[in-house]
Amino acid sequence: THLTQSPSSVSASVGDRVTITCRASQDIRSRLAWFHQRPGKAPRLLMYEVSILQSGVPSRFSGSRSGAEFTLTVSGLQPEDFGIYFCQQTFTPFPFGPGTKVDV
Amino acid sequence: VQLHQSGPGLVRPSQTLSLTCAISGDSVSSDTGAWNWIRQSPSRGLEWLGRAFYRSNWSFDYAESMKSRMTIIPDTAKNQFSLHLNSVTPDDTAVYYCATHYMDVWGEGTTVTVSS
Repeated sequence: THLTQSPSSVSASVGDRVTITCRASQDIRSRLAWFHQRPGKAPRLLMYEVSILQSGVPSRFSGSRSGAEFTLTVSGLQPEDFGIYFCQQTFTPFPFGPGTKVDV
Repeated sequence: VQLHQSGPGLVRPSQTLSLTCAISGDSVSSDTGAWNWIRQSPSRGLEWLGRAFYRSNWSFDYAESMKSRMTIIPDTAKNQFSLHLNSVTPDDTAVYYCATHYMDVWGEGTTVTVSS
């Protein structure tokens, strides 16, 4: 499976609503996770199975699926939300998307 | 669960890259766990390398591109697992991470440079 993400980057402000799309080259059902990474840090799991929030992740994050297209939405961007977002297929060989950079 | 990585930051070309991931708060031989190695570089992005898991016996999955030169070795006595990647080239320069089964916990990352 090949995962693509759009946009590759987005400029946003605190309070904005940001939407990121991930497309899979084949049917991966609901086997998709989202990660967030800040500079110099390891990626952090945000959600899995398309829309299940990892413990401790705020409810402003949400996920959805339409066929092989997946969407991550951040409703009300906070300063700690800037960084790079990655999607990932959650079965072998666990490919990642190329990332979407969210900056000011 | 916490993961702590150790290993050299510089490896010579053609040599073997070896990193260790020490586990606290879980057991490497847990029959519900799995232990992953992932790397990240500007050219390749995030790349899953392989994993080890115990289900009565040890099993290993490796990325197709890694199968010929990568080994994961679990150490139950020290509760850790290690990555061994042989015949490295500058293309193996990356930040290497260990991570748990669902990738909900990651090690701190080790920057490895392959250079003479």
